[in-house]
Amino acid sequence: AQSVTQLDSHVSVSEGTPVLLRCNYSSSYSPSLFWYVQHPNKGLQLLLKYTSAATLVKGINGFEAEFKKSETSFHLTKPSAHMSDAAEYFCVVINYEGSQGNLIFGKGTKLSVKP
Amino acid sequence: GAVVSQHPSRVICKSGTSVKIECRSLDFQATTMFWYRQFPKQSLMLMATSNEGSKATYEQGVEKDKFLINHASLTLSTLTVTSAHPEDSSFYICSARGLDQETQYFGPGTRLLVL
Repeated sequence: AQSVTQLDSHVSVSEGTPVLLRCNYSSSYSPSLFWYVQHPNKGLQLLLKYTSAATLVKGINGFEAEFKKSETSFHLTKPSAHMSDAAEYFCVVINYEGSQGNLIFGKGTKLSVKP
Repeated sequence: GAVVSQHPSRVICKSGTSVKIECRSLDFQATTMFWYRQFPKQSLMLMATSNEGSKATYEQGVEKDKFLINHASLTLSTLTVTSAHPEDSSFYICSARGLDQETQYFGPGTRLLVL
């Protein structure tokens, strides 16, 4: 079965410092993985996606994620946090087992950015 | 590209009334759309998968007679909450599957408050 685990429910960083949001996945086949961001009372915005091409995926707003099969990880990083990055981040995997390709969401990581 | 809109963004209604929420893919055709519900400080919960021209597939525990879904065209899906009650108050988010048949693009969400 497919699943994702976001290891931190809340991450707090100072503006200008690096961001690391951790995600581990479980999959019986090569997964398709996504990171989405949700600002308060808004829908989800796609940051980036991995679909078995390059293992280092660059997304919008300076975010990137590296797919590491040996560690079953897909951590999201950004070199320097901005105040506008404060939001909820979801790691997501597609479930193709007996479904129509539904998304399976992690529980989310709330990122706080201090001035 | 890949913009999804929802209308209304916010609705307040009396208990017992029905509320219709529209989800539109603005610049692409989507044979498959999804409806989610999100409780405060929680991840998204898939309610149903909506396929153009056929009946929606509901997740376990979601009442199909309570949450009516119609996917009448390749750019429009509607969710009607029938005989709404206060416990139906929530944030409803739709998504549309993109041309790659994997990535989902999310609408901005609809905040429903049932008094």
